[in-house]
Amino acid sequence: KAGVTQTPRYLIKTRGQQVTLSCSPISGHRSVSWYQQTPGQGLQFLFEYFSETQRNKGNFPGRFSGRQFSNSRSEMNVSTLELGDSALYLCASSDGTGGNEQFFGPGTRLTVL
Amino acid sequence: QKEVEQNSGPLSVPEGAIASLNCTYSDRGSQSFFWYRQYSGKSPELIMSIYSNGDKEDGRFTAQLNKASQYVSLLIRDSQPSDSATYLCAVYSNSGYALNFGKGTSLLVTP
Repeated sequence: KAGVTQTPRYLIKTRGQQVTLSCSPISGHRSVSWYQQTPGQGLQFLFEYFSETQRNKGNFPGRFSGRQFSNSRSEMNVSTLELGDSALYLCASSDGTGGNEQFFGPGTRLTVL
Repeated sequence: QKEVEQNSGPLSVPEGAIASLNCTYSDRGSQSFFWYRQYSGKSPELIMSIYSNGDKEDGRFTAQLNKASQYVSLLIRDSQPSDSATYLCAVYSNSGYALNFGKGTSLLVTP
C-alpha cells in the first residue's frame, strides 16, 4: 500500500506571498490532518478534514486554511506569509475513526525569506 | 501546564542497554496514546500505539500505560545506534481528532 505523499517537498517563498501545499492520504483513508513543526514549538495541530468537512481546528490565525476533495486529497494554504511561518508542514492520514493511528507523510519544508 | 510533557534529553545509553523514555499528559479523559520516532530531517514514524493500562510489546519495544498516574513510557531493549533519534509522545485531544505532541526526547545510543 502506498504511503502518504506530499508535494512539493521544498518551497522557498518571500514574505507576503501565499503558498499551497498538497497531501494525498493512504488509499482508503478518509481523514487528513495537518501539523506544523518548528524547533521552538514542536509539532502543532493545524486542522483535520474528514469527508471534505473540517472537524477540528488548532489555534492558528485565519491565514492558514485548508480543504479536502472528494478523493480525500487535501490542500492547505497559507496567505500573506510571515518569516515565522518557516517550518516543516506535515500531513497525516488515518481512517477517520476518532482516536485511531495517524501516519505521516514526508512533509513540505517551507522557508520564508 | 503543557498537555503532553517529555524530558528533552539527550538521553544517552550504551549499545545493548535498555532505553527508557517517559511522557506525562494532563487530560484524564485521554484514551489513545502513541509513540513516534523521528530521525533528523525526516517525518515522524509511528512505532507504538497503546489504548489500555498495562504493557504492550512489539519486538524490542514495550509501551507502558498508567492512566491513573497519567503516564506513558516506552522501553527499547537491546538499544542499537540506529535507534538514535527523537521520540515523540502523542495523545489525542478531547475531540479525538487532533494529536497533541510532546516536544520529544532525543535518544543517543553509543557504540
